[in-house]
Amino acid sequence: NAGVTQTPKFQVLKTGQSMTLQCAQDMNHNSMYWYRQDPGMGLRLIYYSASEGTTDKGEVPNGYNVSRLNKREFSLRLESAAPSQTSVYFCASSADQTGRPNYGYTFGSGTRLTVV
Amino acid sequence: AQRVTQPEKLLSVFKGAPVELKCNYSYSGSPELFWYVQYSRQRLQLLLRHISRESIKGFTADLNKGETSFHLKKPFAQEEDSAMYYCALSGHSGGSNYKLTFGKGTLLTVNP
Repeated sequence: NAGVTQTPKFQVLKTGQSMTLQCAQDMNHNSMYWYRQDPGMGLRLIYYSASEGTTDKGEVPNGYNVSRLNKREFSLRLESAAPSQTSVYFCASSADQTGRPNYGYTFGSGTRLTVV
Repeated sequence: AQRVTQPEKLLSVFKGAPVELKCNYSYSGSPELFWYVQYSRQRLQLLLRHISRESIKGFTADLNKGETSFHLKKPFAQEEDSAMYYCALSGHSGGSNYKLTFGKGTLLTVNP
């Protein structure tokens, strides 16, 4: 009963390097989300995917790209990492195709990323 | 636009004291509100949904549409309640997809 699984859990990057954060859910949920969590800022939505094959920008999409590889997987890519992208990244999913979180979102355990 | 405001970044109480974490929202439609809790370095967990009007771990929250508030309350705080609490609102600001918008969070510390 894994729920939402994120890899890696920790990562240190140098400025300008690229990387992909992976997220997979095994609950047959339609909608998936990427948030970043910063002290004093709460959680801010980066990108979301309402259903397989669709992606949309959230509140803070600049510097990121996403891929909804299939219904289970939703990856977040940093093409050229910057220190401002140092954050904890959370992936989440919900069952409803409209994203309506009738029963809330299920979150992964997070990826702690440091860009130096 | 949808917005969630949690006016207190930090809240400290003693064990056994009542606790209230404030949440105000701004949304033009009919809101769906949630409280999430994050224990130290763990994932966010859903604590309460306003539509279910439930009590979880002794916490309750009532939606007050007149005051646009959804405050979280517990009559007797326990040390294990120490955590970050996020209020969240589900709405769709244009388009057909719902999004969950979070407040900035309140860090609750319950002292022995």
